[in-house]
Amino acid sequence: DTAVSQTPKYLVTQMGNDKSIKCEQNLGHDTMYWYKQDSKKFLKIMFSYNNKELIINETVPNRFSPKSPDKAHLNLHINSLELGDSAVYFCASSQGRSGMAFFGQGTRLTVV
Amino acid sequence: KNQVEQSPQSLIILEGKNCTLQCNYTVSPFSNLRWYKQDTGRGPVSLTIMTFSENTKSNRRYTATLDADTKQSSLHITASQLSDSASYICVVSAGYQKVTFGTGTKLQVIP
Repeated sequence: DTAVSQTPKYLVTQMGNDKSIKCEQNLGHDTMYWYKQDSKKFLKIMFSYNNKELIINETVPNRFSPKSPDKAHLNLHINSLELGDSAVYFCASSQGRSGMAFFGQGTRLTVV
Repeated sequence: KNQVEQSPQSLIILEGKNCTLQCNYTVSPFSNLRWYKQDTGRGPVSLTIMTFSENTKSNRRYTATLDADTKQSSLHITASQLSDSASYICVVSAGYQKVTFGTGTKLQVIP
């Protein structure tokens, strides 16, 4: 009955690799997000996607690309991984742009 | 520059006691303010959302207040329980794209 699910939960990979994190929500929400939480536990929004409209945070490198095959999925693809990409990535969804957001459990990415 | 500052950074209280967490922001134009609870190793969970016209909102033992004039919010936890131990994050939105997170207050409730 998980509302927002992310896979994998842990991801360890070498620098330079390309990886994807998947996110699915079964809440029927129309808006999904990706957040990054760094080692200091500081959360930053990366992307939001509302009814096929992608809002890109300008501070996110273009190595990060979200892909939304449908309203219930928003995957995050990362090219040429760097050490600084190591963080916990959270997916979230909400109904409407101002609705209460429900978060996934997070994906801990470690780049070595 | 949009900023959200929370205090204290960390807090330890005895089970059953009340506590209040503070959030000051400089985000403009203000859209809404949210409080989240994040347990260690888990995703944040929404506690409250407040818009400009709301100055108090409660969710069980959590009561959030908002003073849009002074740009301050507080989260009051009543009769704390061990399960309240978590990080509490204040998030302020300026429109849709500009979402600013506070660095959180780490609360530890001890028996």
